[in-house]
Amino acid sequence: GAGVSQSPSNKVTEKGKDVELRCDPISGHTALYWYRQRLGQGLEFLIYFQGNSAPDKSGLPSDRFSAERTGESVSTLTIQRTQQEDSAVYLCASSWGNQPQHFGDGTRLSIL
Amino acid sequence: GQQLNQSPQSMFIQEGEDVSMNCTSSSIFNTWLWYKQDPGEGPVLLIALYKAGELTSNGRLTAQFGITRKDSFLNISASIPSDVGIYFCAGRSNFNKFYFGSGTKLNVKP
Repeated sequence: GAGVSQSPSNKVTEKGKDVELRCDPISGHTALYWYRQRLGQGLEFLIYFQGNSAPDKSGLPSDRFSAERTGESVSTLTIQRTQQEDSAVYLCASSWGNQPQHFGDGTRLSIL
Repeated sequence: GQQLNQSPQSMFIQEGEDVSMNCTSSSIFNTWLWYKQDPGEGPVLLIALYKAGELTSNGRLTAQFGITRKDSFLNISASIPSDVGIYFCAGRSNFNKFYFGSGTKLNVKP
């Protein structure tokens, strides 16, 4: 498609389970970002991929969070042993060059 | 780290009124961006600014990249009910990293 695609759009899981969130960036976009947005809050940077460079993981809140990206395509964000405070919308964005980011609609994660 | 202060946090205005919101940063940015987020959706780009002093319009929206490169404002003229949403500013650093403000929630009364 033409935009950033995220799946699933909603995910409900039990505390302690692992979850995997997927992001398909816009074709040709070399940069990919993950953000977390808690209810009524702003965007919290998690991780940034740029081409084949080592990712900037400085925003990951704990070692339960990890992300991978295959080349310049799909990325997955994995949260292990989920906790209730992980409940949020996880947004993915992509860009190229010095152009602005374009966002997907997010995955709404609810931890019971 | 970089700090972005966005104000006001929320606004309640009457349809037809003009709106102004702004962002200030502790560091300089190469690009300033303004996004709007509707409930259940991701942020959508409204305006991008690439040069200090740049003033850009998009319909009823006008935004400026501050001369110091540490601030930006967004104005909305003659507001309408569909302007309701959360507006975010964002700055892009030298390392192609984006920093977001905490958002301005706009409510428009018909």
